[in-house]
Amino acid sequence: NAGVTQTPKFQVLKTGQSMTLQCAQDMNHNSMYWYRQDPGMGLRLIYYSASEGTTDKGEVPNGYNVSRLNKREFSLRLESAAPSQTSVYFCASRNLRGTSGGELWLDTGELFFGEGSRLTVL
Amino acid sequence: AQTVTQSQPEMSVQEAETVTLSCTYDTSESDYYLFWYKQPPSRQMILVIRQEAYKQQNATENRFSVNFQKAAKSFSLKISDSQLGDAAMYFCAYRSVRETSGSRLTFGEGTQLTVNP
Repeated sequence: NAGVTQTPKFQVLKTGQSMTLQCAQDMNHNSMYWYRQDPGMGLRLIYYSASEGTTDKGEVPNGYNVSRLNKREFSLRLESAAPSQTSVYFCASRNLRGTSGGELWLDTGELFFGEGSRLTVL
Repeated sequence: AQTVTQSQPEMSVQEAETVTLSCTYDTSESDYYLFWYKQPPSRQMILVIRQEAYKQQNATENRFSVNFQKAAKSFSLKISDSQLGDAAMYFCAYRSVRETSGSRLTFGEGTQLTVNP
């Protein structure tokens, strides 16, 4: 199972350049998330998409845009990269609810993560 | 807004010994989930253990157990019989049960665990 796949794994940009981080999940999950990880700050939420067709800002959305292309894919775009955006970016996904054996269940909140994308902005 | 604090940036333990990682959180909610995630050098985030706030019993997964103190808003992780493969960054995380919050996780700063042979 591929799970959550992010591309690229590594990228070096110059200040002012643009790029898009791609994320795809094959688990039929409803919700998808973009986090950034910085030393001493844990993971901070940039944007999330609770379901296909919706996106919302997280803690640190400035300088980023997102697109929920379909249920599988959720991309993160840097329009004009800045050195402050040097970080490791993680995409994650999960289901809010579903059925199992005819019973409705609410998920327990676990996120499934991609392997991360290390972005350096010079 | 909820906050999660891990006051130990680094911890070390001898192989086969026991170590406890601390986590505190702040919330006004009565029902929520708490998690410990492990991030080895490969960067992959791996769920270690999960605790539902409405459950009084502490969660246990093999060598990993938690001490959940709801009144104190404390959620520590105990690793018994530490192994070299336990060396990683450990993140504590909080999640509201209210779906209006987008069901996102709020993470602590992380604790880097070193296991010495």
